[in-house]
Amino acid sequence: DADVTQTPRNRITKTGKRIMLECSQTKGHDRMYWYRQDPGLGLQLIYYSFDVKDINKGEISDGYSVSRQAQAKFSLSLESAIPNQTALYFCATAWYDGYTFGSGTRLTVV
Amino acid sequence: RKEVEQDPGPFNVPEGATVAFNCTYSNSASQSFFWYRQDCRKEPKLLMSVYSSGNEDGRFTAQLNRASQYISLLIRDSKLSDSATYLCVVTFPRGSQGNLIFGKGTKLSVKP
Repeated sequence: DADVTQTPRNRITKTGKRIMLECSQTKGHDRMYWYRQDPGLGLQLIYYSFDVKDINKGEISDGYSVSRQAQAKFSLSLESAIPNQTALYFCATAWYDGYTFGSGTRLTVV
Repeated sequence: RKEVEQDPGPFNVPEGATVAFNCTYSNSASQSFFWYRQDCRKEPKLLMSVYSSGNEDGRFTAQLNRASQYISLLIRDSKLSDSATYLCVVTFPRGSQGNLIFGKGTKLSVKP
């Protein structure tokens, strides 16, 4: 099994729908992150969590919310999806020797 | 000045060539430095950490210049399989970015 697992891998949803992206990790790391990546824009931080009770907004948190259900689980929600949220979403965990990323969720909002 | 800057490329090089990427960072309090590799539509994967004394891993050499606030990645004897985007990553003391900043990446294309 992968160290960081994201589900679903691909999702097409309609404008206005609520959608949740899930992330789980087996590395035992406290730090977890959600990023989105758009072509030519690099990785942008949405939310991050340093432990279950410590959740912080990143640079582009508007329109998103998160839930850290346990050390191993960090979910990202789009409360009312809009087309410009179409992107590749990555979850990651971190330790002092770097980050481990999940395989990504490709989300399309139509 | 952006926090982490890279030349976006693309760098188009023939097989066997030596290619170098640079990355500059703005925060002198930066603590750790990494190079990540990202293949198209895949997740970034750690290529190597960058140490103050410089470090080498096979055909790859990473260097850090704290005084000038830049890091570099040198790839010798380029292979077709080296084609990817290379991300410079810098960590900071905990702040609004969750303490890790990514550059936008430098795209490398190695041609036969």
